[in-house]
Amino acid sequence: DQQVKQNSPSLSVQEGRISILNCDYTNSMFDYFLWYKKYPAEGPTFLISISSIKDKNEDGRFTVFLNKSAKHLSLHIVPSQPGDSAVYFCAASFFRGGNQFYFGTGTSLTVIP
Amino acid sequence: ETGVTQSPTHLIKTRGQQVTLRCSSQSGHNTVSWYQQALGQGPQFIFQYYREEENGRGNFPPRFSGLQFPNYSSELNVNALELDDSALYLCASSPNMGASADEQYFGPGTRLTVT
Repeated sequence: DQQVKQNSPSLSVQEGRISILNCDYTNSMFDYFLWYKKYPAEGPTFLISISSIKDKNEDGRFTVFLNKSAKHLSLHIVPSQPGDSAVYFCAASFFRGGNQFYFGTGTSLTVIP
Repeated sequence: ETGVTQSPTHLIKTRGQQVTLRCSSQSGHNTVSWYQQALGQGPQFIFQYYREEENGRGNFPPRFSGLQFPNYSSELNVNALELDDSALYLCASSPNMGASADEQYFGPGTRLTVT
């Protein structure tokens, strides 16, 4: 049972434009959400997180939005850079220090120079 | 460079065999988690070890077992391999149980192929 879903396997964006990656979840008990970035032959790297008490968290070019009523979160990258090309996973856990993360299937982002 | 290493990089085994995958955590990290990432899927939590004891398990059968050693290394053992066990196996270390995700570092993974 896939509790975290990323329905877009891939996304292509021009350099300098905005990239928007989407993620949906089904379990309303999730309290903490994360985005990871993964390059080939490397493990996932933590990118940004958001607690369920917030609806937005920003870190430089990366902003995560959370819509709890819709059980939806999104990652905005502005402006997109070629180095952002990677697979992005969203993940959720039941609390911030939780040891079990539920991952989506990933979205492969390509930023075209 | 996360300081987390895994060996081997690739491995091919036959159905029914047993396999041991190894992870060397970042120095000082007493917590390690293991994940299975099947092709086209996201990582799935197998279990976590804290100070050499299992601390939480995902939906994986008992033939998946682990060990953690005092020197910050750990092992994932899988018995009676099945074709569906073919996947990328990731370990992730963190400085303590309950650490937040930004303190958890993943290794590059071991690609296991079961034929």
